[in-house]
Amino acid sequence: NAGVMQNPRHLVRRRGQEARLRCSPMKGHSHVYWYRQLPEEGLKFMVYLQKENIIDESGMPKERFSAEFPKEGPSILRIQQVVRGDSAAYFCASSPPDQNTDTQYFGPGTRLTVL
Amino acid sequence: GEDVEQSLFLSVREGDSSVINCTYTDSSSTYLYWYKQEPGAGLQLLTYIFSNMDMKQDQRLTVLLNKKDKHLSLRIADTQTGDSAIYFCAERLASASKIIFGSGTRLSIRP
Repeated sequence: NAGVMQNPRHLVRRRGQEARLRCSPMKGHSHVYWYRQLPEEGLKFMVYLQKENIIDESGMPKERFSAEFPKEGPSILRIQQVVRGDSAAYFCASSPPDQNTDTQYFGPGTRLTVL
Repeated sequence: GEDVEQSLFLSVREGDSSVINCTYTDSSSTYLYWYKQEPGAGLQLLTYIFSNMDMKQDQRLTVLLNKKDKHLSLRIADTQTGDSAIYFCAERLASASKIIFGSGTRLSIRP
């Protein structure tokens, strides 16, 4: 059973470009979470999605950021018109439908660098 | 409010025990976690404790929870060089699905 997969692992963008980050949850997991880690800081929650639904987006910046988790395919975190302050590591986590375990499993992250 | 605090650095001698401390503010936490992050890598779940427990032991790891003081600690026995990493304390609230992370404690090992 493969773990949470994220790609690309490293992404370089120039200011004003778009960044697309992909996350494939663990097999059987239907809940996906995105977190952002700024340099030398802890992880900050961004958004929680289930298939085709955004459940909690309280940590998402109001502009330029969007997330989706379609019925088929990976979850996508999209950042439009990137700025230098978007440079960070973006981690995806997944958990199974049974929330009794309450455990989130993290992917290796995508490190975004904005030039 | 939601806040998790940890000291930033800890240095221990190889073979000694490491104790990493954490405090949190929200008393409605359901689960508390310890994650390990090695340089350039993702987060590895080390252990977690349910909020109605006060201790959990797993091989070299011991987690102690003082719910009254909202204090969580992770003890690593016989610390090895491979334990060098950043350790994140985190809590999950009853009212939300998100996990709140501390800023991490960087553990370094002296020979």
